[in-house]
Amino acid sequence: GAVVSQHPSRVICKSGTSVKIECRSLDFQATTMFWYRQFPKQSLMLMATSNEGSKATYEQGVEKDKFLINHASLTLSTLTVTSAHPEDSSFYICSAIPGTGRETQYFGPGTRLLVL
Amino acid sequence: GESVGLHLPTLSVQEGDNSIINCAYSNSASDYFIWYKQESGKGPQFIIDIRSNMDKRQGQRVTVLLNKTVKHLSLQIAATQPGDSAVYFCAENTGGFKTIFGAGTRLFVKA
Repeated sequence: GAVVSQHPSRVICKSGTSVKIECRSLDFQATTMFWYRQFPKQSLMLMATSNEGSKATYEQGVEKDKFLINHASLTLSTLTVTSAHPEDSSFYICSAIPGTGRETQYFGPGTRLLVL
Repeated sequence: GESVGLHLPTLSVQEGDNSIINCAYSNSASDYFIWYKQESGKGPQFIIDIRSNMDKRQGQRVTVLLNKTVKHLSLQIAATQPGDSAVYFCAENTGGFKTIFGAGTRLFVKA
């Protein structure tokens, strides 16, 4: 149980375009999902916390207008990288918590974004 | 600011030996700790967790030790196997939903 999927797994786009990444909890409902970014050989950096039905909470230094997050249902959160630039190239990982308590996060497989 | 760090960025062990990965945390308010394993190109995978009211917890081939006095966390892997080769992250939670990850340790298992 507690499976989280991401789509797409890999995406290449041109600079200036927008890219949408989906995160789905497959066998549980997730009131809270998280979006992380991971650069090569570095740790996971939390970008934002996504709550179903409300606005996402962004970490300091993360531009909310550039990284649009929509948590439309209890099983789906989307991250849209708007006007992507090469420096946005990274590994984007989502995670989800089943329930409202503080519990272990279950991570998706990640999405590799390459902006040319 | 608060951080979770690791003593060793890389660890190389012989297959069959035990591995010990260490982690230091600085937030004394943290009361929940998790170890994750991340293989190349994949998302982190939960290994084991421990709450601050415990100092040891065992799983299958893994043991987590927590020393709150010195704010130290360790992951012990018994009889390390080639499939254990990965990057291991410790993470801490201070009571909310936010989890802070450490820098990571890469484990190499030599056959």
